[in-house]
Amino acid sequence: DQQVKQNSPSLSVQEGRISILNCDYTNSMFDYFLWYKKYPAEGPTFLISISSIKDKNEDGRFTVFLNKSAKHLSLHIVPSQPGDSAVYFCAASYQSGGSYIPTFGRGTSLIVHP
Amino acid sequence: GAGVSQTPSNKVTEKGKYVELRCDPISGHTALYWYRQSLGQGPEFLIYFQGTGAADDSGLPNDRFFAVRPEGSVSTLKIQRTERGDSAVYLCASSLTGGGGTQYFGPGTRLLVL
Repeated sequence: DQQVKQNSPSLSVQEGRISILNCDYTNSMFDYFLWYKKYPAEGPTFLISISSIKDKNEDGRFTVFLNKSAKHLSLHIVPSQPGDSAVYFCAASYQSGGSYIPTFGRGTSLIVHP
Repeated sequence: GAGVSQTPSNKVTEKGKYVELRCDPISGHTALYWYRQSLGQGPEFLIYFQGTGAADDSGLPNDRFFAVRPEGSVSTLKIQRTERGDSAVYLCASSLTGGGGTQYFGPGTRLLVL
């Protein structure tokens, strides 16, 4: 029972264009959402996050949008660069026992073509 | 600066054997997390330490899995009577505090049980 779903296992985009990665969740208790980026043979690296009190958070080329009513979030990368090619994990969490333990999706592999 | 390190980077063992996986968190980080990532999946939470104590071990799949962090720094994940299904990448992450602080991941240990 996947509580965090990334339904697109892969995405191919041309350099300079927008990349849009999508994520859906089912647990209404989730109130903090994160995106991680992972290169081969490395651990995931935190990219950007958003709290449920917001619907948008922007950091440079990266913007995360949250639609609570649809239980959907997306990561926009503009403009996409070849170095953005990686696996992107969506994660969702809520406070339990004093900590936020993220639940991860299966990831979307992004390939940015020069 | 030193990030999270994990040893060994790769471990091959035979079914039924005992293995230990080590994690060195970022110095000063009080929170430490263990995850398991199977092929084609996202990281799956195993256990969370705040200091020396396991604050949440709800992700450990069964009693063959155990983890310690005796001095509040280095942690060891121990797997007894390994099974082929234990084959995965075991990721460790640390954060400055446990309450939603950014988690920094190590490169992982690739465990293969033959």
